[in-house]
Amino acid sequence: DGGITQSPKYLFRKEGQNVTLSCEQNLNHDAMYWYRQDPGQGLRLIYYSQIVNDFQKGDIAEGYSVSREKKESFPLTVTSAQKNPTAFYLCASSPPGLAFYNEQFFGPGTRLTVL
Amino acid sequence: KNQVEQSPQSLIILEGKNCTLQCNYTVSPFSNLRWYKQDTGRGPVSLTIMTFSENTKSNGRYTATLDADTKQSSLHITASQLSDSASYICVVSHNNAGNMLTFGGGTRLMVKP
Repeated sequence: DGGITQSPKYLFRKEGQNVTLSCEQNLNHDAMYWYRQDPGQGLRLIYYSQIVNDFQKGDIAEGYSVSREKKESFPLTVTSAQKNPTAFYLCASSPPGLAFYNEQFFGPGTRLTVL
Repeated sequence: KNQVEQSPQSLIILEGKNCTLQCNYTVSPFSNLRWYKQDTGRGPVSLTIMTFSENTKSNGRYTATLDADTKQSSLHITASQLSDSASYICVVSHNNAGNMLTFGGGTRLMVKP
């Protein structure tokens, strides 16, 4: 069963704790992305990685960290420095190829709630 | 600043009716425009992708239009079904590589029987 998986689907965290969200893909895609979605707002880019062992900050990287040690995995850590972490987090990946049709495929998302 | 604005924010229609969702954008440079469907609590799924040279593209009962001169796009849904109830997100790519995206806030569509 190919695609992008995210785990867990729901996550609860106490204030002051770090938490790591998992994102795995078996599509052999080079690029992977992390987005945050808040109610009524468009998705905002947190971090992205175009290739293994390399990643770049997106528009709202503060309070987050990532790693890309393997092509198929791109975990996101939400640190205690993130002031308002409660949100729906989406991971995406895209294949190499013609840029104009560089489709991004999304995982099912993780809903993080800080208690 | 790159922006994508969608209207209406929410819409309720009866099953079987048609509807049109709007998207206006101020993005530069423009690479492509995409429409996604997002069911509640799920990730977005692509419906259409259009470059500046394409002014219409269909995917079943979904038809997207693009006017690159006025920087407007629309998504027309024909003969709506209950399963069309979802958020529809307009997304514009704003770099030459095509992978940096600006997302609209979405239109939440509810189809009632």
